[in-house]
Amino acid sequence: DADVTQTPRNRITKTGKRIMLECSQTKGHDRMYWYRQDPGLGLRLIYYSFDVKDINKGEISDGYSVSRQAQAKFSLSLESAIPNQTALYFCATSDANGPHQAGELFFGEGSRLTVL
Amino acid sequence: GEDVEQSLFLSVREGDSSVINCTYTDSSSTYLYWYKQEPGAGLQLLTYIFSNMDMKQDQRLTVLLNKKDKHLSLRIADTQTGDSAIYFCADLLGGGYQKVTFGTGTKLQVIP
Repeated sequence: DADVTQTPRNRITKTGKRIMLECSQTKGHDRMYWYRQDPGLGLRLIYYSFDVKDINKGEISDGYSVSRQAQAKFSLSLESAIPNQTALYFCATSDANGPHQAGELFFGEGSRLTVL
Repeated sequence: GEDVEQSLFLSVREGDSSVINCTYTDSSSTYLYWYKQEPGAGLQLLTYIFSNMDMKQDQRLTVLLNKKDKHLSLRIADTQTGDSAIYFCADLLGGGYQKVTFGTGTKLQVIP
């Protein structure tokens, strides 16, 4: 089983719908992240959480919200999806005490979201 | 904020060396990383270099860091078709908030 699991892997929805992407991890890491990948733009950070009670906005948080339900679970919500939120979304984790000072991120396989 | 730049595409012939370049703007970077993304998969850490090093070699991979010019490169010797992927440069800024910033990614195409 994958250490970082994202669901759903693919989703097509319509403008205005509410969407939730879920992420769970078995690595025991405190830190979790949501990134968005767009061609030519690389990965951009949406939200991150350093522990269950800590939630922080990233570079592009507008239009998104998150919930850290437990150490192992971090979900991303789009309250009212719009077409320019069509992208590949990645959840990642890191260990604050890792050998590279938490710079090594462990990624899920991605959730491809299409908003029509 | 920190800005990490890469060229978008590189094409090489199988057996040749590949060199992927990256520039960054924040001199307080503590670690710099190369991640590899294969088709349909998430990113995986390929190698890293600490900011007080100039070079790191790991089998077919050589990482060069020029701190003065804020330039990082990844050389893949004897490039194979299995090396075809997107390669992301990333850096970790130190201080109270440790944040990883990714580059735009370079798509490496290996021609048989």
